Amino acid sequence: EPEVTQTPSHQVTQMGQEVILRCVPISNHLYFYWYRQILGQKVEFLVSFYNNEISEKSEIFDDQFSVERPDGSNFTLKIRSTKLEDSAMYFCASSAGLAGRVTDTQYFGPGTRLTVL
Amino acid sequence: AQSVTQLDSQVPVFEEAPVELRCNYSSSVSVYLFWYVQYPNQGLQLLLKYLSGSTLVESINGFEAEFNKSQTSFHLRKPSVHISDTAEYFCAVSGMFSGGYNKLIFGAGTRLAVHP
Repeated sequence: EPEVTQTPSHQVTQMGQEVILRCVPISNHLYFYWYRQILGQKVEFLVSFYNNEISEKSEIFDDQFSVERPDGSNFTLKIRSTKLEDSAMYFCASSAGLAGRVTDTQYFGPGTRLTVL
Repeated sequence: AQSVTQLDSQVPVFEEAPVELRCNYSSSVSVYLFWYVQYPNQGLQLLLKYLSGSTLVESINGFEAEFNKSQTSFHLRKPSVHISDTAEYFCAVSGMFSGGYNKLIFGAGTRLAVHP
């Protein structure tokens, strides 16, 4: 069964460093998403991406964050200058975009645990 | 603003006992409701969803949830749990509040621990 994959599973970085989290969505999917979950808190929406542009972003997704689909298969989340509060589990998701947007099932990856020291 | 509340952070239960995981939502517009499950070291997997029609929806592994609009609830139930049901369960909503896109708003999750 097709699945969303994410690398690395765990990333440790120093505060102020740039990190890139990588995701490979399901191959025929058209919508892509990033969510994050700070330890002990809710899973929060960060951004959605369609047709090579951001569809929607949350207030969390400030200028320090960017997303890209560099090569037609990968979908990346970049944090330019990491802060301690960026430590979280980051989930990538994709959906087919065929059945109407609000009813489309999102398929999630296993997550990347980002630790900022 | 839309929100999802999962009233229990942890639910311990013995194998073969029934279980109910509670979920309440708040929204000023119509919503679509989802339950996701996360097994250890895995991603979030869709368990079941309510979009329209029958308010009782079922999953392939024996879970069911009932949409109750008057109580703004979408509780998850299973009449007899197995050890393998041990996981974290997340309730989520989406709807036209997200501008037509699929932004999911999640609850905090409920950790179901099934004991022998």
